[in-house]
Amino acid sequence: RKEVEQDPGPFNVPEGATVAFNCTYSNSASQSFFWYRQDCRKEPKLLMSVYSSGNEDGRFTAQLNRASQYISLLIRDSKLSDSATYLCVVNFNDYKLSFGAGTTVTVRA
Amino acid sequence: EAQVTQNPRYLITVTGKKLTVTCSQNMNHEYMSWYRQDPGLGLRQIYYSMNVEVTDKGDVPEGYKVSRKEKRNFPLILESPSPNQTSLYFCASSSHGAGMDTQYFGPGTRLTVL
Repeated sequence: RKEVEQDPGPFNVPEGATVAFNCTYSNSASQSFFWYRQDCRKEPKLLMSVYSSGNEDGRFTAQLNRASQYISLLIRDSKLSDSATYLCVVNFNDYKLSFGAGTTVTVRA
Repeated sequence: EAQVTQNPRYLITVTGKKLTVTCSQNMNHEYMSWYRQDPGLGLRQIYYSMNVEVTDKGDVPEGYKVSRKEKRNFPLILESPSPNQTSLYFCASSSHGAGMDTQYFGPGTRLTVL
């Protein structure tokens, strides 16, 4: 079983729509959680960290559910520039991050 | 400008011909790491380094070597490349570790081994 699993999508949504997707992780001892964004096989960049209480950054909301071992990302009022692959990243210790394979989002005009 | 640089960006080589991909960061980061990215598999860690002269294996270290003689540089060495090492490679660095710190990635090296 993969350590981090994501629905690959693609999620194809119109501008202005809301899109949400989840990621599940297998290690209950996981400590830190992140969403990274990757454009067209370029380098990943941190979108946001995910905190236990859930957190919001502009149009982006991340939630963590430790009991069910998943994290979610919600994008409100989608923009064309939100088209990307979103990587779920989970940390088990200070040395290693585990990456999901990514969820592709395409926002159409 | 704070950045992680990798060279070369693109490389086509043949089986068995030793190659080195360089990685350098100018942020005085202690932690550096190498990943490979393959379709459907996500990024997989090859090696990491917690500081100068401290390196350890990640999930997929076979066929790779690394060294960390200086804080800023973390080269990836393929002694005898094989076609299954064809992949997109990313170097990353962060202040102290993989835990709470933001990972800063280099632009990637697309390697093809024929």
